[in-house]
Amino acid sequence: KAGVTQTPRYLIKTRGQQVTLSCSPISGHRSVSWYQQTPGQGLQFLFEYFSETQRNKGNFPGRFSGRQFSNSRSEMNVSTLELGDSALYLCASSLGGRGRGEKLFFGSGTQLSVL
Amino acid sequence: GNSVTQMEGPVTLSEEAFLTINCTYTATGYPSLFWYVQYPGEGLQLLLKATKADDKGSNKGFEATYRKETTSFHLEKGSVQVSDSAVYFCALNAGINTDKLIFGTGTRLQVFP
Repeated sequence: KAGVTQTPRYLIKTRGQQVTLSCSPISGHRSVSWYQQTPGQGLQFLFEYFSETQRNKGNFPGRFSGRQFSNSRSEMNVSTLELGDSALYLCASSLGGRGRGEKLFFGSGTQLSVL
Repeated sequence: GNSVTQMEGPVTLSEEAFLTINCTYTATGYPSLFWYVQYPGEGLQLLLKATKADDKGSNKGFEATYRKETTSFHLEKGSVQVSDSAVYFCALNAGINTDKLIFGTGTRLQVFP
């Protein structure tokens, strides 16, 4: 069974641009979550989708958005990029619907560099 | 609010040494607790978990016990290997009907032969 796939693996953008990151969950998984990982702030929750609905959202500005498609694939978008958006963006999937205690499966991440 | 506190790293050990990485949490209700591990250039992998007080999670020689009285979930291994070198994250899930995890800052473990 294929794992969680994130594309692209690396991305370089300049300030003010926008970017779209993609995540394909494990087949059969209906829940997708996104996290931002930086050396200074560690791992921070961005948002979570379940069956195409945003189920939870972290404390990030409105420039960060996401969506989930009917096949459970998810995208996140960051508009008007800032230098501080440079980070590793991790996607995680789960079967979903069972609440706490669920095992999350993480992708290898997209490393975004904003110049 | 909910939070996780981990010991600062790096932790440097010789092969076959005993490992302890401390983790304490603050949460309302009865959270589930996790240890995830991140190897260089990879995403996170679940190492072990515990969903209620006094549960012991274990995997690959690692273990951690959910201690509600001390709000702790310390990670231990009796004999570490070079291949255990990685970053270890303690995390909690305290929500209802959500996968959202709150992570600690991570502890880097370096094991030398």
